[in-house]
Amino acid sequence: DQQVKQNSPSLSVQEGRISILNCDYTNSMFDYFLWYKKYPAEGPTFLISISSIKDKNEDGRFTVFLNKSAKHLSLHIVPSQPGDSAVYFCAASARRNAGNMLTFGGGTRLMVKP
Amino acid sequence: GAGVSQSPSNKVTEKGKDVELRCDPISGHTALYWYRQSLGQGLEFLIYFQGNSAPDKSGLPSDRFSAERTGGSVSTLTIQRTQQEDSAVYLCASSFGGLSYNEQFFGPGTRLTVL
Repeated sequence: DQQVKQNSPSLSVQEGRISILNCDYTNSMFDYFLWYKKYPAEGPTFLISISSIKDKNEDGRFTVFLNKSAKHLSLHIVPSQPGDSAVYFCAASARRNAGNMLTFGGGTRLMVKP
Repeated sequence: GAGVSQSPSNKVTEKGKDVELRCDPISGHTALYWYRQSLGQGLEFLIYFQGNSAPDKSGLPSDRFSAERTGGSVSTLTIQRTQQEDSAVYLCASSFGGLSYNEQFFGPGTRLTVL
């Protein structure tokens, strides 16, 4: 039972355009969401997060939107750059879970073409 | 400062052998996590350590998997009698822990291949 899903395994975008990565979750107990970026042969690196009390969080070129009623979040990257090419993982955590363990989606491979 | 380090970076073993994977967390981080990523899959939580408390082992897939954390720092994940389905990248992460949300910092992972 996948509690966090990223339905698009890959996404190709032209440099300068917007990249939109989507994530859906089923567990209503999740109240904190994160996006991680992963390059080959490296561990995931934290990108941006959002608490369930917000519906938007912005950091430079990266914006995360949260729609609690739809149990959906998205990551917008604008403008996209070739260096953004990587695998992006959506992750979620629940406050009831004292360890703050993360439940990850399967990842979306983003390719930004020059 | 130094990030999370893991060793070895790659490990090839024969089915039935035991393996040990090591993780050195970021100094000062009290929380340590093990995850694994099987081919084409997302990261799967395995085990969590917080300070000197008993670990949360709820994610371990079988009793062949165990982990310990000595002195609240270095951790070792042991897989006994390895099976081919254990082949995956094993990732360690650490954070400041506590009740507030703290980003987890990941190591580069150990790629385990069981032949």
